[in-house]
Amino acid sequence: DGGITQSPKYLFRKEGQNVTLSCEQNLNHDAMYWYRQDPGQGLRLIYYSQIVNDFQKGDIAEGYSVSREKKESFPLTVTSAQKNPTAFYLCASSPTTYEQYFGPGTRLTVT
Amino acid sequence: LAKTTQPISMDSYEGQEVNITCSHNNIATNDYITWYQQFPSQGPRFIIQGYKTKVTNEVASLFIPADRKSSTLSLPRVSLSDTAVYYCLVGDNLGGKLIFGQGTELSVKP
Repeated sequence: DGGITQSPKYLFRKEGQNVTLSCEQNLNHDAMYWYRQDPGQGLRLIYYSQIVNDFQKGDIAEGYSVSREKKESFPLTVTSAQKNPTAFYLCASSPTTYEQYFGPGTRLTVT
Repeated sequence: LAKTTQPISMDSYEGQEVNITCSHNNIATNDYITWYQQFPSQGPRFIIQGYKTKVTNEVASLFIPADRKSSTLSLPRVSLSDTAVYYCLVGDNLGGKLIFGQGTELSVKP
């Protein structure tokens, strides 16, 4: 099956710990994206990558880091510097900017 | 990237046609208009995209007037399963960025 997978679906961490969210796609898309969504809000762009070994900051990159070593994978690390990390995290990939395909999301809770 | 304005919420009943309008006064010449649908705890799903006039697919229609400063997503004969948040986005296919606003929360009642 072609698609985007994110794991795990739910993730719990203690404050002060770094945590890495997985995003894998087998759609052969060049571009990949990470968004954050808070309750009742729209999506906010964290990082995006249009090609392997290259990525750009989105609107709320502080406290997050990414890597793009393979076309299929775009992991997101939520660092302890992120002041309010509890949120729903969505990964997407795209053959063009305006046809983004989203994964099922990871709900991160930090206590 | 052009800013968009849409109603926060709308109510409808099963079988009705629903029209959601989005304002984008600062749309640029190269910008396209795209709509996404999102169900709770899921990622958004692409619905339709257009540049001008009218676009129709198996799910919805998109109406764009000549000045392109607004657009209307039309959902024919909605069902309960169309209850979701609908996002209007405007931008070109360069730069790799999408700006999601708050969207319109559509509630379809029996």
